[in-house]
Amino acid sequence: VLTQSPDTLSLFPGERATLSCRTSLSVSSNYLAWYQQKAGQAPRLLIYGVSSRATGVPERFSGSGSGTDFTLTISRLEPEDFAVYYCQRYGSPPYTFGQGTKLEIK
Amino acid sequence: QVQLQESGPGLVKPSGTLSLTCALSGASVSSNNWWNWVRQSPGRGLEWIGEIHHSGGTNYNASLKSRVTMSVDKSKNQFSLNLTSASAADTAVYYCARRGFIEAAGRRNGFDYWGQGTLVTVSS
Repeated sequence: VLTQSPDTLSLFPGERATLSCRTSLSVSSNYLAWYQQKAGQAPRLLIYGVSSRATGVPERFSGSGSGTDFTLTISRLEPEDFAVYYCQRYGSPPYTFGQGTKLEIK
Repeated sequence: QVQLQESGPGLVKPSGTLSLTCALSGASVSSNNWWNWVRQSPGRGLEWIGEIHHSGGTNYNASLKSRVTMSVDKSKNQFSLNLTSASAADTAVYYCARRGFIEAAGRRNGFDYWGQGTLVTVSS
C-alpha cells in the first residue's frame, strides 16, 4: 500500500511544494516513481528511481527518500504545475499507485 | 518518438468482454520492455491491471487475474487486453503504458510512455 499526503495541497505560484509518499513495505532497488496528471490527460512520468528526472522534466522537480518514505519537491511552483501527483512502486508486481495528491492554486 | 494508441469499443454490455488494443509506433513490442494496462475510474485514482512481455510472460493484478488475459501481436506491433465478465465497476479510462528499461544503466525507469487513454463504459 502506498499512502500519499496530504490529499490536497493549496499553495500560491512561486511557493515550494512538498508531497509525501509512504509505502507499507520497503521499495526494492529504489524503484519508486512520481507522475503528474492534468485533467483529461494521461499521467506523465516525472521522477524514477526515487530521484532521477525523466527526460524534459524541469529542474524545479526533485525526488528524495529511501526505504518506505519518499518526497516529491517542487521548488518554485509555476502555474502549469497545479495538477494531481501520484507515486508508484514499479520494481516488482503489483505496481501499486498512491491515491494521489491534488495540488491546487490558493 | 515513441507513441502508444489505444483502440476498442467504447461501450460494453454487462457480462460481456472488454477488449482493447494498444498500437505502438516508434518502438517495437519485441524490445526489452514490459507493456502495461492501467485504468482510472471516473474521478478516481490509477489502478494497475497487468503487463506482458513479448516472450509471453505476464503479470496480473491479483484482484483482476481471474478475468484478465493479455496478448502480443508482433506482426502488428501491438498488444491487447481482454477483461471478461464486465460490470459497471469496470467503467473507466483505460491506458496502455510502457514500463521502460535503460540499457546503459541496466535499470527500469517507470512507466515512461503512455497512450492518451480510452473511455470504456459498461452498460446495457
